[in-house]
Amino acid sequence: DAGVTQSPTHLIKTRGQQVTLRCSPKSGHDTVSWYQQALGQGPQFIFQYYEEEERQRGNFPDRFSGHQFPNYSSELNVNALLLGDSALYLCASSSLADTYNEQFFGPGTRLTVL
Amino acid sequence: GDSVTQMEGPVTLSEEAFLTINCTYTATGYPSLFWYVQYPGEGLQLLLKATKADDKGSNKGFEATYRKETTSFHLEKGSVQVSDSAVYFCALSSTGTASKLTFGTGTRLQVTL
Repeated sequence: DAGVTQSPTHLIKTRGQQVTLRCSPKSGHDTVSWYQQALGQGPQFIFQYYEEEERQRGNFPDRFSGHQFPNYSSELNVNALLLGDSALYLCASSSLADTYNEQFFGPGTRLTVL
Repeated sequence: GDSVTQMEGPVTLSEEAFLTINCTYTATGYPSLFWYVQYPGEGLQLLLKATKADDKGSNKGFEATYRKETTSFHLEKGSVQVSDSAVYFCALSSTGTASKLTFGTGTRLQVTL
C-alpha cells in the first residue's frame, strides 16, 4: 500500500502565476481533503472532495479551487498567487464509511511564491 | 466555531523525562479528538485518537484521555526519547463522518541526551 502520495515535492512560483498540486489517496479511500500549513502554524482546512464534488470548504478565497477524478485522485489549483500563499500544502485521504474520520496525510508539497 | 488551543513550545526535555502537552478544545456536539505528530520535513502522522468521553487513546508509549468535563485532551508520555523530537498537533473533528480537522498551532518537542 503506497499510502497518500503528492506531487510535486517542491515548487517555486512568482506572484500572479497559477499552480496545480496533485494527490493520490490511500488505497480504499474515497475522500480527499486539502490543508494549508504556513510556517510554524497548524494546518488549515481548505476543502474536501467526495464523489467528484466539493463537500466542505474552509475560509479560503475562490482563488483556491479543486477537482476530484473518478479514480479518487485530486488536484488543488491556486490562481493569482500571492506571497502569503507560500506554505506546505497537505493532502489527506479518508473513507466516508469511517465514522471516526481517520485521515491519512501525504508528505505535502512545499510551495514558495516569490 | 470549533477551535483547539495547545500549550506553546518549544518544550525541551532530557531523555527519560515525563512529558505533558496540554490541549483544550471548543466544539459543538461530541467531537473526535486526535494527536498528530510531524517529524522534520515530513507530513502528519496520526499518533492516537479518542472518539468519546473518557476514552483513552494510546500508541508508542503516548497516552491521552478525552475529558469532556474539562474539554481537554492532554498528551502524556512517561519517558521520552531523543527520537520523540518532533512537532505535536492536537486536532478535532466535530461532525463525525469524514469531516474536516481543526488543528491547534502545534507544540515543538526537543529531547536532549
